[in-house]
Amino acid sequence: DQQVKQNSPSLSVQEGRISILNCDYTNSMFDYFLWYKKYPAEGPTFLISISSIKDKNEDGRFTVFLNKSAKHLSLHIVPSQPGDSAVYFCAASFQGAQKLVFGQGTRLTINP
Amino acid sequence: DSGVTQTPKHLITATGQRVTLRCSPRSGDLSVYWYQQSLDQGLQFLIQYYNGEERAKGNILERFSAQQFPDLHSELNLSSLELGDSALYFCASSVVSGGALGNEQFFGPGTRLTVL
Repeated sequence: DQQVKQNSPSLSVQEGRISILNCDYTNSMFDYFLWYKKYPAEGPTFLISISSIKDKNEDGRFTVFLNKSAKHLSLHIVPSQPGDSAVYFCAASFQGAQKLVFGQGTRLTINP
Repeated sequence: DSGVTQTPKHLITATGQRVTLRCSPRSGDLSVYWYQQSLDQGLQFLIQYYNGEERAKGNILERFSAQQFPDLHSELNLSSLELGDSALYFCASSVVSGGALGNEQFFGPGTRLTVL
């Protein structure tokens, strides 16, 4: 049972435009969500997180939006830069849980 | 650089063999997590240790085991290896145990295991 889903395996965006990566989850117990970025031959790098008591969290060019009723979160990158080309994973957990549940990842390509 | 180190970076071995993967967490982190990423798959949680004690188990096979030592480094032991065990194995660490803001998990660069 895939509790966290990233339905777009890939996304291509022009440099300077907005990149929007989407993630859906099924477990209503999740109350803590994260986004990780992964370059080839490296481990995932933590980007940004959000608690279920908020619906938005910003950090520089990165904003995460959470829609609890739809069980949906998204990551917005504005403006997109070539260095943002990577695989992006969303992950979910809940207070007291030990593990993160990851989506399958979305490969983002920023075109010059 | 996340501060989490993993060795070796690559490991090639044969079916039926046993290997040990090593992880050193970030300075000050007490929790260590192990994840497996098979080809084109998301990361699957295997097991977590906190300050030397096992805290949580995920989809870890009985052929796999782990431990965390007093200096907080951790080892993942994989035995009776099969072709399907070929994957990337990541270690992550966090300050304390459990999912919460401020306790994000930071990942090492991974060990790529190839079973021939």
